[in-house]
Amino acid sequence: AQTVTQSQPEMSVQEAETVTLSCTYDTSESDYYLFWYKQPPSRQMILVIRQEAYKQQNATENRFSVNFQKAAKSFSLKISDSQLGDAAMYFCAYRSARRGGSEKLVFGKGTKLTVNP
Amino acid sequence: DTAVSQTPKYLVTQMGNDKSIKCEQNLGHDTMYWYKQDSKKFLKIMFSYNNKELIINETVPNRFSPKSPDKAHLNLHINSLELGDSAVYFCASSPSWQSYGYTFGSGTRLTVV
Repeated sequence: AQTVTQSQPEMSVQEAETVTLSCTYDTSESDYYLFWYKQPPSRQMILVIRQEAYKQQNATENRFSVNFQKAAKSFSLKISDSQLGDAAMYFCAYRSARRGGSEKLVFGKGTKLTVNP
Repeated sequence: DTAVSQTPKYLVTQMGNDKSIKCEQNLGHDTMYWYKQDSKKFLKIMFSYNNKELIINETVPNRFSPKSPDKAHLNLHINSLELGDSAVYFCASSPSWQSYGYTFGSGTRLTVV
């Protein structure tokens, strides 16, 4: 079974600075998708960024980018120019791309990000 | 014009009661899910339906019963509520076999007293 590990229960960053959240995963599959979700205090789950495992290029969405290291099974999220609105729980998630396989998202335990003014 | 809507947003009820949470999506997605988020924020899948067919049924007490009348709706009925059922329940949907992740509802906070 696939597992996702987020080793940092909490992180903090100064406004306008850069922070990196770590995520590692365990799988025997070669084709899969990886995601970062944000959950602010409103509790809404918001998709931040996604990565297809077959793509070598790291995904980028505005101030959010990932460092995807397939061999190391690592998928970290970098937030540049942090803003107060970035304060939230961040969840890393894995989804199999295998046809006939489970479509469920497997989540890590989350990292609580605090942004200090 | 909410994509995935859950009702109610908050539910407070006594132990032993039966309650339902409703979910509807207007995205045309084929697959819908129920996830439970516990007090430590851990998200775990409970059920998944694809086109009204149950495809994932994780280890969940049989007091929990999902029902999907059509592919746009997935409801969750809980019998004989227990204190340990208190959590946030999320409904989500996704297109089949796509890399787009899920679209989540806003969650239902269930408190059993």
